Amino acid sequence: DAKTTQPNSMESNEEEPVHLPCNHSTISGTDYIHWYRQLPSQGPEYVIHGLTSNVNNRMASLAIAEDRKSSTLILHRATLRDAAVYYCILRDGYNEKLTFGTGTRLTIIP
Amino acid sequence: EAGVTQFPSHSVIEKGQTVTLRCDPISGHDNLYWYRRVMGKEIKFLLHFVKESKQDESGMPNNRFLAERTGGTYSTLKVQPAELEDSGVYFCASSQESGLLNEQFFGPGTRLTVL
Repeated sequence: DAKTTQPNSMESNEEEPVHLPCNHSTISGTDYIHWYRQLPSQGPEYVIHGLTSNVNNRMASLAIAEDRKSSTLILHRATLRDAAVYYCILRDGYNEKLTFGTGTRLTIIP
Repeated sequence: EAGVTQFPSHSVIEKGQTVTLRCDPISGHDNLYWYRRVMGKEIKFLLHFVKESKQDESGMPNNRFLAERTGGTYSTLKVQPAELEDSGVYFCASSQESGLLNEQFFGPGTRLTVL
């Protein structure tokens, strides 16, 4: 799987939007961009995924750059419960496995 | 609907002993995965079952680790004999379908400590 680069940590105020960046300059045309997060003392959980177009679901939005070399996970209104480590993962059509990097540790300030 | 469950939640054993971890996937999920995070490292894939068959075991670290999924329901991961470097958190995940768009549902993990 292609490599992703994320900031180690970010902070945001409660009830404000959060933009979590991910760089994936070596992404191939068939790689999907997946985001998972891991809340404290829990296993990872799926957040969202996309290929080329921006995506929205009940948890978040995913904005994908036109050249697909970067993407941004957007939490529209952060709550304390969103404090977690967020992982940006590229998946190709050949591997079922998820390849986790170091992720971004998001801290929400009340 | 119950999520992925793992047992035990914690296990403390001595070096050289045997430990067996259990994972119960979400009912109806044919795909089952094992991952682990050892101290200070990233979460790493261990292996993938489709029903009772091992589809990909490329992440298994060595032959001290044995995973089984008899009957295609729950799975066990046995470590024999355990070494200090096996300490970490072992996660199980399941998914209903195969493919790169599948959402994997993770259990809470088993924290293994080898003394």
